[in-house]
Amino acid sequence: QVQLQESGPGLVKPSQILSLTCTVSGGSITSAGYYWAWVRQHPGKGLEWIGYISHSGNSYYNPTLKSRVSISPDTSKNQFSLTLSSVTAADTAVYYCARERLQYQVAHMDVWGKGTTVAVSS
Amino acid sequence: DIQLTQSPSSLSASLGDRVTISCRTSQSISNYLNWYQHAAGRAPKLLIYGASTLQSGVPSRFSGSGSGTDFTLTISNLQPEDFTTFYCQQSYSPPRTFGQGTKLEI
Repeated sequence: QVQLQESGPGLVKPSQILSLTCTVSGGSITSAGYYWAWVRQHPGKGLEWIGYISHSGNSYYNPTLKSRVSISPDTSKNQFSLTLSSVTAADTAVYYCARERLQYQVAHMDVWGKGTTVAVSS
Repeated sequence: DIQLTQSPSSLSASLGDRVTISCRTSQSISNYLNWYQHAAGRAPKLLIYGASTLQSGVPSRFSGSGSGTDFTLTISNLQPEDFTTFYCQQSYSPPRTFGQGTKLEI
């Protein structure tokens, strides 16, 4: 059974870099047919898709964040990471990592981490 | 980007009721529509994928329908744990996008 766990600092200063890691257990991030995604939820708001990386390392980012975001794999640790630069208070959110799976030709996020809260404040 | 519009934004119901939530997309997405349940403080949970396929382990009181631009999530015989927030999401093309959510209240 695949499980995901987010980790990283809960507080980041404005203009600095937010870095989060998602550790995957019970499955490999290099397995074909899966994408590894980040999603966030601002306080009191809905879900926002940040981006994903494929098992082969191809990535796609939300255009609204594209200039500041990067998702990268660490296959040796079976982890993938989110980096968001030049953060502001608007990046305060709960961040989730998730697995996107292609099943019956439809992609969907079937496994999620519990989420980690990140506050941007001086 | 494909925009998703859910209605209603909030919905009041009682235990045992049957409710429907609508999701309309800004362009046709065939059946590339998923539904998630999100309880506060917990991870989102996949309910339905491909517009109508029930995710393994999800109770059969949840059902989905639709194709093209109009989709519906139906929940029958509401249980206490169903009073949470529901989101539709398209996987037709990146960037993936979500509806704004529907909060189900008792």
